[in-house]
Amino acid sequence: DIQMTQSPSSLSASVGDRVAFTCRAGQSISSYLNWYQQKPGKAPKVLISAASTLQSGVPSRFSGSGSGTDFTLTITSLQPEDFATYYCQQSYSTPWTFGQGTKVEI
Amino acid sequence: QVQLVQSGAEVKKPGASVKVSCKASGYSFSTYTIHWVRQAPGQRLEWMGLINAGNGNTKYSQKFQGRVTITRDTSAVTAYMELSSLRSEDTAIYSCARAAKQLVRDSYSYHLDVWGKGTTVTVSS
Repeated sequence: DIQMTQSPSSLSASVGDRVAFTCRAGQSISSYLNWYQQKPGKAPKVLISAASTLQSGVPSRFSGSGSGTDFTLTITSLQPEDFATYYCQQSYSTPWTFGQGTKVEI
Repeated sequence: QVQLVQSGAEVKKPGASVKVSCKASGYSFSTYTIHWVRQAPGQRLEWMGLINAGNGNTKYSQKFQGRVTITRDTSAVTAYMELSSLRSEDTAIYSCARAAKQLVRDSYSYHLDVWGKGTTVTVSS
């Protein structure tokens, strides 16, 4: 199984801040990396697919980059609705695996 | 609109089985694969397996091999996930999700674009 490791596990930020967090794969996964946002009691929502493709309806303050083993999700100008947990997930091979999440707190 | 509607919460005793349903609407059911993902309290999301809703082919995580069965009924546009020999560690929220594909250079990448609301399964004696 491909291990996915996110850092940091949590971070504190303020509205308007620029934040970035990383996801590292245990082996090269090319660009087969997706990012999800999850709020308490809700299903995950895909933000970024294939490492850098912004999903329809997702604000442009979200962006993804990287390939191979190292990936980054960046949020420019953090908004109140962005406080949530973010997960990376590889779809390079089954079993698909997720990172442990990065919780963005106020 | 496109949605996946799951069955309600379940409480089961250790050793029992649970079967969760996932009814699709708003899209062509047979055109997509349905994946099952679970999340135990305080844990990361965990992929369990998938079913090609068109041809019924399945793939399972080795972790659940032998205990999980994913099926579908195309006439009912519903996918099912059955987990047997339940233990307390199986207490989790079980979610179905549709996989969308995206052409990346010369191959397809997949992501889970539509999710059910999740079904809470509690295993307790």
